[in-house]
Amino acid sequence: AQSVTQLDSQVPVFEEAPVELRCNYSSSVSVYLFWYVQYPNQGLQLLLKYLSGSTLVESINGFEAEFNKSQTSFHLRKPSVHISDTAEYFCAFLGGGYNKLIFGAGTRLAVHP
Amino acid sequence: NAGVTQTPKFQVLKTGQSMTLQCAQDMNHEYMSWYRQDPGMGLRLIHYSVGAGITDQGEVPNGYNVSRSTTEDFPLRLLSAAPSQTSVYFCASSSRRQGGPNTGELFFGEGSRLTVL
Repeated sequence: AQSVTQLDSQVPVFEEAPVELRCNYSSSVSVYLFWYVQYPNQGLQLLLKYLSGSTLVESINGFEAEFNKSQTSFHLRKPSVHISDTAEYFCAFLGGGYNKLIFGAGTRLAVHP
Repeated sequence: NAGVTQTPKFQVLKTGQSMTLQCAQDMNHEYMSWYRQDPGMGLRLIHYSVGAGITDQGEVPNGYNVSRSTTEDFPLRLLSAAPSQTSVYFCASSSRRQGGPNTGELFFGEGSRLTVL
């Protein structure tokens, strides 16, 4: 069965430190992968996506993710986090004939001063 | 541009009552979906629609009905509310690639918090 696993439920980190949020997927077919972010009391917003081409994708606010087919991973990284990055982050993939966006359980990133 | 609008934002029901969560989008998106969000479980897909008149089940469809009579609206009906349906519900929409599937780039509403006593 197709699925996505986020390996950490919570990640505490100090401001300006680097961070990695881990995501592994399980699929035997081509995958489209996404990271979404949810700020407190809001809906989710698309952060970045991998559809094809370059395996390294970037967002406008400094996050990047690398698609690694051999390790079936799509980890999210940022070299230096800010307090404003505090949010819950969801990894997702497009399955079910590309009509079902399936989400992981989420990783809560808490950035401390 | 309003995007995806959900109503109501908050609702308290008694077990056995029925209700409808409304969702409307003004982006002319063909694809619409409903998710529920529960702590530690992420978002789980309830139902989705790839266009007017077409709906299908997601991961957790039991106890919920949907219909899609127009491109803009995608209401979610709880037939007989149960405490297990206490959750935050999100409606989302996206466009489709020309002649192809959903892009996966979802636009979410702000959510509807439902409590079933």
